[in-house]
Amino acid sequence: KNEVEQSPQNLTAQEGEFITINCSYSVGISALHWLQQHPGGGIVSLFMLSSGKKKHGRLIATINIQEKHSSLHITASHPRDSAVYICAVSGAGSYQLTFGKGTKLSVIP
Amino acid sequence: ETGVTQTPRHLVMGMTNKKSLKCEQHLGHNAMYWYKQSAKKPLELMFVYSLEERVENNSVPSRFSPECPNSSHLFLHLHTLQPEDSALYLCASSSTGQSRETQYFGPGTRLLVL
Repeated sequence: KNEVEQSPQNLTAQEGEFITINCSYSVGISALHWLQQHPGGGIVSLFMLSSGKKKHGRLIATINIQEKHSSLHITASHPRDSAVYICAVSGAGSYQLTFGKGTKLSVIP
Repeated sequence: ETGVTQTPRHLVMGMTNKKSLKCEQHLGHNAMYWYKQSAKKPLELMFVYSLEERVENNSVPSRFSPECPNSSHLFLHLHTLQPEDSALYLCASSSTGQSRETQYFGPGTRLLVL
């Protein structure tokens, strides 16, 4: 079974700061997902990646398959970025996602 | 209609009650999922349906009973629950259920079992 670890568990940043959230996993995967969960519970999928780097607006996700590690970066952070960010991985041929415990981000004005 | 809807959004029930959670997706997807999110724990997959057939059942107690009458609707029937079943229950859908697909989540049902 894949073990997914996220760090840090909690992160407080000043508005405008560059933020990095890390995710590591123990077993080879077919894809890694970054999700955002706002207070109230709704979850939005931010990225799905299996190699390299993806960018969407101020968000950048990278993955290093050899090191079994991914990072989510937020540039010019804003209070509306405050949420829990969740990393999840999927194995080849499996319906199942294995989730990390999440990183709670608070961006203060 | 927004992509994935869930009703009710909040539910309080006693241990002897029977209730059902409903999920509906308007995305034309063929796979639907039930997840449980307990406080301080990662999301846990409960069930997966692909083309209305259950393809994954993650050792979920029988007091949770899923039903998928068609590819747009998914139910979770609840009976004789325990207080430790209190959690946020999330429904999701994806195109075919393959591991490299984006899943689209509903807003969740927050369940409290007294």
